[in-house]
Amino acid sequence: DIVMTQSPDSLAVSLGARATINCKSSQSVLYSSNNKNYLAWYQQKPGQPPKLLIYWASTRESGVPDRFSGSGSGTDFTLTISSLQAEDVAVYYCQQYYSTPHTFGQGTRLEIK
Amino acid sequence: QLQLQESGPGLVKPSETLSLTCTVSGGFISSSSYYWGWIRQPPGKGLEWIGSMDYGGSTYYNPSLKSRVTTFVDTSKNQVSLRLTSVTAADTAVYYCARTGEFGEFLRWFDAWGQGTLVTVSS
Repeated sequence: DIVMTQSPDSLAVSLGARATINCKSSQSVLYSSNNKNYLAWYQQKPGQPPKLLIYWASTRESGVPDRFSGSGSGTDFTLTISSLQAEDVAVYYCQQYYSTPHTFGQGTRLEIK
Repeated sequence: QLQLQESGPGLVKPSETLSLTCTVSGGFISSSSYYWGWIRQPPGKGLEWIGSMDYGGSTYYNPSLKSRVTTFVDTSKNQVSLRLTSVTAADTAVYYCARTGEFGEFLRWFDAWGQGTLVTVSS
């Protein structure tokens, strides 16, 4: 199985500041035939299901604010929130879909400082 | 708009079988090229993929659960179902159904989720 490791486990950021969450996979999730990284990011607020934010490592899902961006390739990925809003308080997960079983990171809890 | 809704018993006894149904509305399971997956989340913990299947019966299961899991589709009711046998307390979790796949490709993200249903395994 591909192990996904996120850092940090929790993060406190001031409103309007940048938040950065990292995700590292135990093996590359870059598929050479199409040069795409098989990595997604989700946001989960309390009592709610996860919500897809980013797929192909950097493609924003329709309706997701442009303050959310994804970057990285191979084994190292980053989710950046450029200007933190109060409604961004949540747990964030990365997920690889390069191979089965699909695996998720352990989650990063984002709070307001 | 696509909606998914899980349903089933909230309490299951140890060693028994957990059975859940996901009703899909706003779209037809049989007319799409998507897969339909199950993911679970123990209270206060992270996400674990259980398995996914398409309406044609192609299935993929997490090897860690494969011996206990069965999923099936009822196109007449536009439902997908999950059965997990021989449950223990470790199977206590919120169970989500979710849409995945794209143009028949299984290895994709989950873009639509149900609200989830908590299943507790306890005597």
